[in-house]
Amino acid sequence: DAMVIQNPRYQVTQFGKPVTLSCSQTLNHNVMYWYQQKSSQAPKLLFHYYDKDFNNEADTPDNFQSRRPNTSFCFLDIRSPGLGDAAMYLCATSRDRLSKDHEQYFGPGTRLTVT
Amino acid sequence: QKEVEQNSGPLSVPEGAIASLNCTYSDRVSQSFFWYRQYSGKSPELIMSIYSNGDKEDGRFTAQLNKASQYVSLLIRDSQPSDSATYLCAVTVLFLSGGGADGLTFGKGTHLIIQP
Repeated sequence: DAMVIQNPRYQVTQFGKPVTLSCSQTLNHNVMYWYQQKSSQAPKLLFHYYDKDFNNEADTPDNFQSRRPNTSFCFLDIRSPGLGDAAMYLCATSRDRLSKDHEQYFGPGTRLTVT
Repeated sequence: QKEVEQNSGPLSVPEGAIASLNCTYSDRVSQSFFWYRQYSGKSPELIMSIYSNGDKEDGRFTAQLNKASQYVSLLIRDSQPSDSATYLCAVTVLFLSGGGADGLTFGKGTHLIIQP
């Protein structure tokens, strides 16, 4: 089945230790997104790739970086995780920019714990 | 800055009744509206999208949009215990050039409880 896959599903890292979260998709969608969702809060868009074009939200901390080496894969790098970065990280895709013809679908998420 | 407001609940509804979930948004340019369902510890799942004023029905779900009032709602008929979840309202803005939008702005969600 075509789908959005995130690995790992659960990640524990130490304060200040770099961590990378992975997302892959078999949908051949042009756009990939990363959202951060803290407990009882709304998902917050961090950045997205339209094909190879990277788009960073204005308030995304510099501590968060992303890479998209090919259409199928996208990575979220947190260079120096702080306790406040503990959250669910959601990868999403859409075939094209969002419109009435193109909707956004989420992967299962990665729950990040910072100790 | 786009804002999306939802009553956090919990909203408690008896099984078999109609659950009504509401959402208001601040950006008059918002054009596309989405309802996602999120079970605890899981990722959001798309339920419905709506773009034009009026009602859109899909099975037990009906989305209603009123752009003049900047209001979108979701009705769930014949509510089942499995409908118990958090429902997220999300909006996006179309580019003036006619292209699509980049990303969604979400509300915090309404926690719905269906009582057996």
